[in-house]
This record gives sequence, structure tokens and C-alpha cells, in this order.
Amino acid sequence: EDKVVQSPLSLVVHEGDTVTLNCSYEVTNFRSLLWYKQEKKAPTFLFMLTSSGIEKKSGRLSSILDKKELFSILNITATQTGDSAVYLCAVLNQAGTALIFGKGTTLSVSS
Amino acid sequence: DAGITQSPRYKITETGRQVTLMCHQTWSHSYMFWYRQDLGHGLRLIYYSAAADITDKGEVPDGYVVSRSKTENFPLTLESATRSQTSVYFCASSPGTSGGVRNTGELFFGEGSRLTVL
Repeated sequence: EDKVVQSPLSLVVHEGDTVTLNCSYEVTNFRSLLWYKQEKKAPTFLFMLTSSGIEKKSGRLSSILDKKELFSILNITATQTGDSAVYLCAVLNQAGTALIFGKGTTLSVSS
Repeated sequence: DAGITQSPRYKITETGRQVTLMCHQTWSHSYMFWYRQDLGHGLRLIYYSAAADITDKGEVPDGYVVSRSKTENFPLTLESATRSQTSVYFCASSPGTSGGVRNTGELFFGEGSRLTVL
């Protein structure tokens, strides 16, 4: 059975801290791994990763994929209160028919 | 306005009633999806559609029916609602790659419909 496991499930940090969120997966015919951010409403797309070892960056957020060890990490440096959200990891199968989500990591950043 | 909209945003119904959640997108995206989100389970795929008149089951399709007669609309119907279907439902769309052949995984989500079944 395909699955995506995220850790930790929740995390509380202070503003300015750096955090690392983890995502491991077991998916038949892997195609890509995606990260989403969900604040109070709908998830919004952050990154798509298809190749191992190539870091994707957007401001203070960065992510990398290891296809050999079947995991990805999402780093957030110099956290701000606006980073408080649920971060979702999802894996797409080769046919593009199934995007399987992990349960998410709830990040709380206190000022 | 362009985008993806869901209606109703909030719905309370009773066990056994039929409920339809509507989803409309203005981007002409090929792919559309219905997910439910529950505490402890994350987002789970109910049904998806790769194009008009093409639909397929996801991870948790039992008790749900979908149709896609037009590219822009993808309604989800609960034929006889049960308490276990109390959830937040998200509709999403994806443009696919060139020609809409493959789903890229980059989904654009609606704001969600919170359904309570009493």
C-alpha cells in the first residue's frame, strides 16, 4: 500500500529559529514529491521535486529530495509567525492519477 | 473572477439525505479532484477526473458519486449521507502537462466545504 509519513506531527518554535520537516514515502512508480502549505483554509503549492539532490528554494524555504532513501526535507530558516501552518507532503505516482498526502506537520511559531 | 469555487461552504444535513457539493473552475484545467480532510487522516482522495466524461475512484469512494459533463464543473454527491461523512471537502484542479495528458501534481484547491451530518 502506498503511503507518505511526515514527522514530526507538530512542532513549536520561536521566531528566528530554523526548522526541518521530514517526509518519507513508499509509493509504487514514483513520479514527483510535492510540498503544500495549509493555513486556515485551502492548501497552497510550495515545491515540486522530481530529481534527487537538487535543492528547490523560495525565500526562506528550501526542500530537497533523496530518491534512494525515499525521503524529502523542508527547511524553513529565520521562522516568522506567518510561517505557522500545516505543511503537507504529497507524492504523485507515475501515471499522474494519484496524489497521496501525508497527515501533515503542524508548525507553530511564537513571537 | 478566475479560480476554483465550491458551494456551499457550510452545510448541515441529516443522516440519509442526499447532498451535492458543487465545484466550478474557470481555468479550463483538465484534471479535477475531490478530497476529504479529517483529523488524524489528512487529505484523502475520493474521486478524480482527467477530462470531461472521464472519472475514476480514489482512495475512499464508497458512498459518493461524481459526474463531469462539462470541463469546468465537478459535483460530488453523497447519495445517502452518513455521520462518518462529516468532514471538510476540498475540490482541486490541475492543468496537467502540455495537452493535459498528465497531472503534474500541482493542485489548485477550492476553499473547502464543511459538511456536518447529524
